[in-house]
Amino acid sequence: GAVVSQHPSWVICKSGTSVKIECRSLDFQATTMFWYRQFPKQSLMLMATSNEGSKATYEQGVEKDKFLINHASLTLSTLTVTSAHPEDSSFYICSATRGSGRYEQFFGPGTRLTVL
Amino acid sequence: AQSVSQHNHHVILSEAASLELGCNYSYGGTVNLFWYVQYPGQHLQLLLKYFSGDPLVKGIKGFEAEFIKSKFSFNLRKPSVQWSDTAEYFCAVTYNNNDMRFGAGTRLTVKP
Repeated sequence: GAVVSQHPSWVICKSGTSVKIECRSLDFQATTMFWYRQFPKQSLMLMATSNEGSKATYEQGVEKDKFLINHASLTLSTLTVTSAHPEDSSFYICSATRGSGRYEQFFGPGTRLTVL
Repeated sequence: AQSVSQHNHHVILSEAASLELGCNYSYGGTVNLFWYVQYPGQHLQLLLKYFSGDPLVKGIKGFEAEFIKSKFSFNLRKPSVQWSDTAEYFCAVTYNNNDMRFGAGTRLTVKP
């Protein structure tokens, strides 16, 4: 159990367009979901934390108007990169916790975004 | 602020050599500790985790890690590496507020 999926797995878009990435917990209800960004050959950087039905909490330096996060249900969170630019090209990874009190996060496979 | 340090950025070993990757964290309270592996072009996979109990944790693929609270460390070990262990290894720590912080990662290259 504890499978997290992401869709799409990769996306290429033109500069100025918006891209939506979905993160789903397939076999459990995710009380909290997290969005990370990973640049090539670098570590994961936490972008934001979201709880179902409430506003996401963004890390310092992450533009909330650019990276819109919606945690609509206990199994789905979406990240929308608005007005994407080439510098937004990156690997975006989501994770989810079951709220069992053990703080273990289950990671999705990631979405590679390339902005032309 | 809590932080996670992985001091080895790139480790190069020959097959059958022993491996130890360092991980230190800064928080003095209750922590949960993880090691993840990321093979080239693939997503994160959990190698092992520590929540409580025996500080020597055994994970998948022959990896183990030891939690030493007095040293704020959670080093990853493997007695004999294989070429297929070539990957990026990340130490991660979650703190009471549920946030997970990752180390910078250690790239392991195993020569055949």
